[in-house]
Amino acid sequence: EPEVTQTPSHQVTQMGQEVILRCVPISNHLYFYWYRQILGQKVEFLVSFYNNEISEKSEIFDDQFSVERPDGSNFTLKIRSTKLEDSAMYFCASRGAGNVKYEQYFGPGTRLTVT
Amino acid sequence: SQQGEEDPQALSIQEGENATMNCSYKTSINNLQWYRQNSGRGLVHLILIRSNEREKHSGRLRVTLDTSKKSSSLLITASRAADTASYFCATDAPNFGNEKLTFGTGTRLTIIP
Repeated sequence: EPEVTQTPSHQVTQMGQEVILRCVPISNHLYFYWYRQILGQKVEFLVSFYNNEISEKSEIFDDQFSVERPDGSNFTLKIRSTKLEDSAMYFCASRGAGNVKYEQYFGPGTRLTVT
Repeated sequence: SQQGEEDPQALSIQEGENATMNCSYKTSINNLQWYRQNSGRGLVHLILIRSNEREKHSGRLRVTLDTSKKSSSLLITASRAADTASYFCATDAPNFGNEKLTFGTGTRLTIIP
């Protein structure tokens, strides 16, 4: 069964460094999302992406964040200058097209630790 | 309470018993989805119920939705040790296809063998 994949599974970085989190959504999906979950807290929406542009972003998704779909398969989240409070589990999700496929399927996550 | 609040926050039951978790939300929704998360792992999609549906089944799972009360319940029948996990509800509102999910706080379910 098709699934969303994410790499790396765990990323440790120093404060101020740039990180890129990678995702491969399910191949025929058209809507892509990033969420994050700080340890012990709710899963929070960061950004949605459709037709090669951001459709919606949350307050968390400030100028330090960017997303890109550089080719037909990858979907990346970049954090330009990481802060301690960016430490969290980052989840990529995707969903199919149309009004009958609202299920969002999540990847296994990337645990980002900023030291 | 915030959009997507589950109760109870934690639930421990004996294997074989049924587990019921509830979710409440505040704003109008398009769909409500339930997810399972094993400790420190990813979110596994369990079931989606649309706003015009009242009940849905999938294997040992039964989900109900009451839009007048803005609440949903997830029932897991004949629980197994492998059902031990956190369960989250997530709602989305109509937004021309770009429906972001708003998650609840989750119920931590422990099945005692």
